[in-house]
Amino acid sequence: EAGVVQSPRYKIIEKKQPVAFWCNPISGHNTLYWYLQNLGQGPELLIRYENEEAVDDSQLPKDRFSAERLKGVDSTLKIQPAELGDSAVYLCASSSRTGTGGHEQFFGPGTRLTVL
Amino acid sequence: DAKTTQPPSMDCAEGRAANLPCNHSTISGNEYVYWYRQIHSQGPQYIIHGLKNNETNEMASLIITEDRKSSTLILPHATLRDTAVYYCIVRVRGRTGFQKLVFGTGTRLLVSP
Repeated sequence: EAGVVQSPRYKIIEKKQPVAFWCNPISGHNTLYWYLQNLGQGPELLIRYENEEAVDDSQLPKDRFSAERLKGVDSTLKIQPAELGDSAVYLCASSSRTGTGGHEQFFGPGTRLTVL
Repeated sequence: DAKTTQPPSMDCAEGRAANLPCNHSTISGNEYVYWYRQIHSQGPQYIIHGLKNNETNEMASLIITEDRKSSTLILPHATLRDTAVYYCIVRVRGRTGFQKLVFGTGTRLLVSP
């Protein structure tokens, strides 16, 4: 079974430029999460989707960050414009209510963003 | 708003048991304790979770104290591949009413030959 796929793995941009990250969750997983992980810290939840609906985006900085999950499968996280402080790893995770009852989140490898 | 406290680092000899402690003194009665680990340059990996009872799976055992204010993750026979950052997490209900995992800074476990 394929895991959570993220691309690109690495991205270097200059400040004020836009950037987008893509995530393909595990097939059949209805819940998708985007996390931000700063160096030396644990991941912090940015947004949670149930199918195509964003049910928790309270931690998403909406002035520059946006996300979408069209058709309830793949998801894209965008930053426009990027700032130096956005340099971090962006993790995508997915889960399903079946199997472990939604208790286990499966994480992708992340996209490491560097803003110069 | 992490609700857990862990030592920043621990060492363990290969083949020995690794016992990773966690304090969660403000945990509520219906909040679960989760453990994840993160190997360098990878995403976090689920290990185990529990509410009140001790739990065991193929990866580890979770011992939760009777008052639920602390827990210990046990890796019975640590290998070099268990070197990672281990996160003890309390799943909380966010402002929107949905459950979410609140990660702290974790314990960096180094397993040596």
